[in-house]
Amino acid sequence: QKEVEQDPGPLSVPEGAIVSLNCTYSNSAFQYFMWYRQYSRKGPELLMYTYSSGNKEDGRFTAQVDKSSKYISLFIRDSQPSDSATYLCAIAANTGNQFYFGTGTSLTVIP
Amino acid sequence: NAGVTQTPKFQVLKTGQSMTLQCAQDMNHEYMSWYRQDPGMGLRLIHYSVGAGITDQGEVPNGYNVSRSTTEDFPLRLLSAAPSQTSVYFCASSRTWGGPYEQYFGPGTRLTVT
Repeated sequence: QKEVEQDPGPLSVPEGAIVSLNCTYSNSAFQYFMWYRQYSRKGPELLMYTYSSGNKEDGRFTAQVDKSSKYISLFIRDSQPSDSATYLCAIAANTGNQFYFGTGTSLTVIP
Repeated sequence: NAGVTQTPKFQVLKTGQSMTLQCAQDMNHEYMSWYRQDPGMGLRLIHYSVGAGITDQGEVPNGYNVSRSTTEDFPLRLLSAAPSQTSVYFCASSRTWGGPYEQYFGPGTRLTVT
């Protein structure tokens, strides 16, 4: 079983829609949860970072962690064509030495 | 502050050739790592280092070698290139203590082995 699973999509939504991206993970020891955005032919860039459970909001983006279900989500409100990218979830244990990435979800926001 | 830099951006090798992918960071991060990214496979960890002189294997280490003589640099060596090593390679760095532990990625090296 992989440490983290992510639906690869692709996901296509109209501009202005609310987007929900999700990952599940297997090990309850993971404490750090991240979302990266990767534009085509570029390196991943950190979008959101959350420690332990709860929500974190940054502008149009909200990251949510449900440790009881081992489920993490990224919500994008009022999606824009510039949000079209691949989104990768990532998790890490307390030591910060081992990072595990989902395979990424490809998102296209249609104008 | 340049962050994480990688050279070269593109490389074409013949089967059996060797080469070194360079990675440097100026954030004084202890942790550095190399990933390869292939379609449908996501990012797979090749090797990582938690400090100068300390390296360890990740998920897919075969055919690759690393060393870490300074905090800033973490080169990845392909010993004898094979077509299966055609991929995009990313170097990343992060802190390992005191948090937060998010990784910062370089722009990538696109490698083709013919």
